[in-house]
Amino acid sequence: AQRVTQPEKLLSVFKGAPVELKCNYSYSGSPELFWYVQYSRQRLQLLLRHISRESIKGFTADLNKGETSFHLKKPFAQEEDSAMYYCALLNNNDMRFGAGTRLTVKP
Amino acid sequence: KAGVTQTPRYLIKTRGQQVTLSCSPISGHRSVSWYQQTPGQGLQFLFEYFSETQRNKGNFPGRFSGRQFSNSRSEMNVSTLELGDSALYLCASSAEFNEQFFGPGTRLTVL
Repeated sequence: AQRVTQPEKLLSVFKGAPVELKCNYSYSGSPELFWYVQYSRQRLQLLLRHISRESIKGFTADLNKGETSFHLKKPFAQEEDSAMYYCALLNNNDMRFGAGTRLTVKP
Repeated sequence: KAGVTQTPRYLIKTRGQQVTLSCSPISGHRSVSWYQQTPGQGLQFLFEYFSETQRNKGNFPGRFSGRQFSNSRSEMNVSTLELGDSALYLCASSAEFNEQFFGPGTRLTVL
């Protein structure tokens, strides 16, 4: 069965510091992976997906099939990055989300 | 384009009752998914509909059901409500079930 694990429920960094939100998955095929973000009092929204290989708001994520990971990274965190981040795996119209990591960027 | 809308936004029910939640997707989107969000369990996939057909279902009991109409609007029904059903129910629509656009959710409280 497919599963997404985000080992950190809470992550706190200072403004300007690098940040990495971890995501590991278990799935035997070729997964399609996403990062979703929910800012305070806003809707859940797509941040980025691995197939597009893009950088959004300075965030990047690389799919590592060997380690079955899809960690989200940003070299210099900003206070406005404080939010809840969810990693998600899509397989055959079944989307599974991780438990989420709450990122707090302190001034 | 108008976003995904969900009605009602808040609902209070008592145990044993049933509830119907509604979701209107973004115009042109044919896929509608439902999720349950709770502090303890996070986001859990309920089911996904595409062109009025349920394509996938999560691990929820049969008390949770849904349907999709020809205009892509979707409803979710929960029968015989339990206290543990209290949650935020999110609906998301997408053109081809890749990028999902979420609604604001319906906050259901079961007393």
